Amino acid sequence: GQNIDQPTEMTATEGAIVQINCTYQTSGFNGLFWYQQHAGEAPTFLSYNVLDGLEEKGRFSSFLSRSKGYSYLLLKELQMKDSASYLCAVRDSNYQLIWGAGTKLIIKP
Amino acid sequence: ETGVTQTPRHLVMGMTNKKSLKCEQHLGHNAMYWYKQSAKKPLELMFVYNFKEQTENNSVPSRFSPECPNSSHLFLHLHTLQPEDSALYLCASSQGEISGEVEQYFGPGTRLTVT
Repeated sequence: GQNIDQPTEMTATEGAIVQINCTYQTSGFNGLFWYQQHAGEAPTFLSYNVLDGLEEKGRFSSFLSRSKGYSYLLLKELQMKDSASYLCAVRDSNYQLIWGAGTKLIIKP
Repeated sequence: ETGVTQTPRHLVMGMTNKKSLKCEQHLGHNAMYWYKQSAKKPLELMFVYNFKEQTENNSVPSRFSPECPNSSHLFLHLHTLQPEDSALYLCASSQGEISGEVEQYFGPGTRLTVT
């Protein structure tokens, strides 16, 4: 079966750096997405990786290793507004998105 | 209106009721999706429409019936639901089911409670 694993919850301190990991086992691979979802709101797109390596977008970076079935989202200079759930999703060989259950990130002052 | 809108935002219905959820996208996209989001579970893809044609039905019970009259509008008709159907129902749209950096744009969701 297809599976996306990510930690259920993480806690970090304002101003610090946090890394949210995602491992996947899917039938085929056509890209990996990270979304942010604040409580009670819609998920919003953060990043897309299809080749190995690091993609940087401001305070957020996303890394992919296809051989290891592994990705991480790196958040720097954490702000209170970064408290949210972070969803990892992989597009499989049928171009369907397979979603992880999300990681709830709690930022403390 | 911009982006993806959904109505109603909250819905409480009995198991014998019939109701409909509405989604509208103002982005000129060709594909629309219904997802179910339950607490601490992955997003579950329910239905996919591409150019108004249904391309995916992921073994969804018949008490959920989608309708896509045009590329901008998507409905989810509900009847004789069960309490376990209580969840957040999210609508999304994208340029199409093609490769590349094609992200999905989500609406705010309808919080459904079945009593």
